[in-house]
Amino acid sequence: SYELTQPLSVSVALGQTARITCGGNNIGSKNVHWYQQKPGQAPVLVIYRDSNRPSGIPERFSGSNSGNTATLTISRAQAGDEADYYCQVWDSSTVGYVFGTGTKVTVL
Amino acid sequence: QVQLVQSGAEVKKPGASVKVSCKASGYTFTSYDINWVRQATGQGLEWMGWMNPNSGNTGYAQKFQGRVTMTRNTSISTAYMELSSLRSEDTAVYYCARSSPPFDYWGQGTLVTVSS
Repeated sequence: SYELTQPLSVSVALGQTARITCGGNNIGSKNVHWYQQKPGQAPVLVIYRDSNRPSGIPERFSGSNSGNTATLTISRAQAGDEADYYCQVWDSSTVGYVFGTGTKVTVL
Repeated sequence: QVQLVQSGAEVKKPGASVKVSCKASGYTFTSYDINWVRQATGQGLEWMGWMNPNSGNTGYAQKFQGRVTMTRNTSISTAYMELSSLRSEDTAVYYCARSSPPFDYWGQGTLVTVSS
C-alpha cells in the first residue's frame, strides 16, 4: 500500500517560515492536498492539487510537489497557524485515498 | 452555504453496529462524492471509503471491506455510514466529507464509543 511520511512535529518562530514535508514514492506524479486541523475541530482544506489555495485561505500558505516530496510552506507564521497538518493523495493502485501521518506545528 | 451536518454521538457495545448520518445542504447532493474519514483520539486521519450519491456506487478501504456499508437517501440529501462488528479499536470520531476532489467540506464529526 502507498504510504505518506510526515515529520511528527515542526516548530517555527512567530513571523518566520515553516516547511512541512510529505514523502511518498514518486509523489510528484500525484495531486497532493493539505489539510489543517485544530484541536476539537474538523479538518480544513488549505492547499489542493499541490499548490492551489481555496478561497479564504491566506496567501501565506503555499505548496509544491516534486520527485518524492511534497511541501507545505507557511510564511510569516502566526499563532493561529498552530495545528496538525495532513497531506493526502489518491492512490490508483489501491483505488483509495491516503493521508499522511500528520505534523504538529508549534509557533514559538 | 454548503453544510454537512452529522448525527449525534453514539455509545455501542462490542459486536454491535452503528449507523452515522450526514445531511447535506447548500449544493446539489448528487453532484459530489461523499467520503468517510475517522480519527481515534490523538491519532491521525484514516480514510474509510467513498460513495457516489448519484449512482450509489461505493469504494471501501481494504481495512474496512466486509464491515462497512455506505448508502444514501437522495430525497433527503443524506448519506449514511454503517460499521458492523464493532470493537474497542473502532472508538473514534467519524467525519463525512464532500469531495470535488479534494475534501472541500467536512461534517462536524460524530464520536462513536465502543465499550462494554
